[in-house]
Amino acid sequence: SQKIEQNSEALNIQEGKTATLTCNYTNYSPAYLQWYRQDPGRGPVFLLLIRENEKEKRKERLKVTFDTTLKQSLFHITASQPADSATYLCALVAYSSASKIIFGSGTRLSIRP
Amino acid sequence: ETGVTQTPRHLVMGMTNKKSLKCEQHLGHNAMYWYKQSAKKPLELMFVYNFKEQTENNSVPSRFSPECPNSSHLFLHLHTLQPEDSALYLCASSQRTGAVPVTEAFFGQGTRLTVV
Repeated sequence: SQKIEQNSEALNIQEGKTATLTCNYTNYSPAYLQWYRQDPGRGPVFLLLIRENEKEKRKERLKVTFDTTLKQSLFHITASQPADSATYLCALVAYSSASKIIFGSGTRLSIRP
Repeated sequence: ETGVTQTPRHLVMGMTNKKSLKCEQHLGHNAMYWYKQSAKKPLELMFVYNFKEQTENNSVPSRFSPECPNSSHLFLHLHTLQPEDSALYLCASSQRTGAVPVTEAFFGQGTRLTVV
């Protein structure tokens, strides 16, 4: 069956450290991997997209990697801050269903001062 | 704000009621989506509209009925819901270019629905 899994339901780290979130998928051929941020009671906000032929993408303190052999994407926040505390969602768009964005269940990240 | 507006923000309805959720996007996008978000579960895609035509229905019960009168507006009509339908309902929009896979979605704030 097709699955998108974010391995950690919750992650707690110290301010200033790098947060690393994991997203694994099975039985998909993704065209894109996307990452979103969701705050409580609000809709998700798009952060970054990485294509199947890209290994790494950066945006300010954010970095995303994509390994199609491992079927995995890693999302890093460097120099983390308490304001980065939120739920982060991994999502993919597959060539077989080009209009559908399929989401993982999310990782709730908490950055303690 | 993201340019996608959902109303109402909160809705409590009885199982015999009929209500509608409304979504409006001001981004000029040509695709719109309904998602359901329940506690501890992934966002579940319900319906996809491309250029006002429904292109996806993910086995959603008929008590949920979508309507897309134009590219900017999307409705979700609700009737005879069950308590397990209580969730956050999110609308999103995106821009599709031909057969190119959708690159990102812009979400509204959601409607928190409680069925009593």
